[in-house]
Amino acid sequence: DAMVIQNPRYQVTQFGKPVTLSCSQTLNHNVMYWYQQKSSQAPKLLFHYYDKDFNNEADTPDNFQSRRPNTSFCFLDIRSPGLGDAAMYLCATSRVLAGGRETQYFGPGTRLLVL
Amino acid sequence: TQLLEQSPQFLSIQEGENLTVYCNSSSVFSSLQWYRQEPGEGPVLLVTVVTGGEVKKLKRLTFQFGDARKDSSLHITAAQPGDTGLYLCAGGNTGKLIFGQGTTLQVKP
Repeated sequence: DAMVIQNPRYQVTQFGKPVTLSCSQTLNHNVMYWYQQKSSQAPKLLFHYYDKDFNNEADTPDNFQSRRPNTSFCFLDIRSPGLGDAAMYLCATSRVLAGGRETQYFGPGTRLLVL
Repeated sequence: TQLLEQSPQFLSIQEGENLTVYCNSSSVFSSLQWYRQEPGEGPVLLVTVVTGGEVKKLKRLTFQFGDARKDSSLHITAAQPGDTGLYLCAGGNTGKLIFGQGTTLQVKP
């Protein structure tokens, strides 16, 4: 089935140790998003790629970076994780249609724990 | 700044009861999505509504988009323990989703 896949599902890292989360999709959608979600809160958009164009949210810390080497894959790099970065990280995709963008489809998420 | 006010934020009911969750905004949205999220999982799309006044049904769930496309509601009939989860409404505009604060629903057997 076409879907959004995130690996790993659970990631433990040490304070200050760089970590990379990955997302892949078989939907062939041209837009990919990264969200941060903390307990029982709504997801918070970090950035998104429209094809190869990177769009950063104004309040996303510089500690968070992203790469999209091709249509199917997108990576979230946290350069120096702090305790406050422990959260669920969600990847989502959507497709651009005339007049707007289609519904976003989310992956299962990666739960990040920072020790 | 576009905002979506979702209410209630928490709801604990008995199995078999009915409930309604509301999302309201002063802004017009081109579409509105409802998601359900279980602990440790990503949000799962329930429905997308795009037309003012649109009503969609998904088994015991009824979704309505306001005539002016500024508000939406989710009604669950005869709730079951399997309906427990975080319900999120999200309005679509200019390619981004504006999320409501979420409604945590607990259905007790």
